[in-house]
Amino acid sequence: KAGVTQTPRYLIKTRGQQVTLSCSPISGHRSVSWYQQTPGQGLQFLFEYFSETQRNKGNFPGRFSGRQFSNSRSEMNVSTLELGDSALYLCASSLSSGGGYYNEQFFGPGTRLTVL
Amino acid sequence: AQSVAQPEDQVNVAEGNPLTVKCTYSVSGNPYLFWYVQYPNRGLQFLLKYITGDNLVKGSYGFEAEFNKSQTSFHLKKPSALVSDSALYFCAVRDGGDKIIFGKGTRLHILP
Repeated sequence: KAGVTQTPRYLIKTRGQQVTLSCSPISGHRSVSWYQQTPGQGLQFLFEYFSETQRNKGNFPGRFSGRQFSNSRSEMNVSTLELGDSALYLCASSLSSGGGYYNEQFFGPGTRLTVL
Repeated sequence: AQSVAQPEDQVNVAEGNPLTVKCTYSVSGNPYLFWYVQYPNRGLQFLLKYITGDNLVKGSYGFEAEFNKSQTSFHLKKPSALVSDSALYFCAVRDGGDKIIFGKGTRLHILP
């Protein structure tokens, strides 16, 4: 069974631009969660989607948004990029929602975003 | 508010020695706790979780974790460290709203 895939793996953008990251969950998984990982802040929860609906949201500004399609693939969008948005963005898929409580979360390799 | 702390940024252990990576938590209600490992240029991998039951939880790769309610701790342990265990380890707690809160991570170095 293929794992969680994220595209692109690396991205370089400049301040003010917007970016869209993509995540394809493991086949059959309906929950996709997004996380931001930085050296200073560690791993922070962005949001979770389950069956095309946002179930949970972390404490990030409205510039960060996401959506999930009927095939469970998810995209995350960041508008008006800031230098501080440089990070590794990880997505995780699971059979059910709940942050891994009911079913294990499987993480993708991440997209490394650099904002210049 | 729920929180989790990993008091050590880095832990160094000689190969073959036992290892402990510390984690303390603060939650209201029953704690649901997790350990994840991240190898270089890879995503996180689930190691183990505590939901309820035995205080000693066994997980992947020979790791185990001990839940201690009185000390609000969930330390990760392994009886004999391998060089391949060198990685970044994250403790996490699930809050009441189904969100996972991660610690800052502890970098484990196993010295040959």
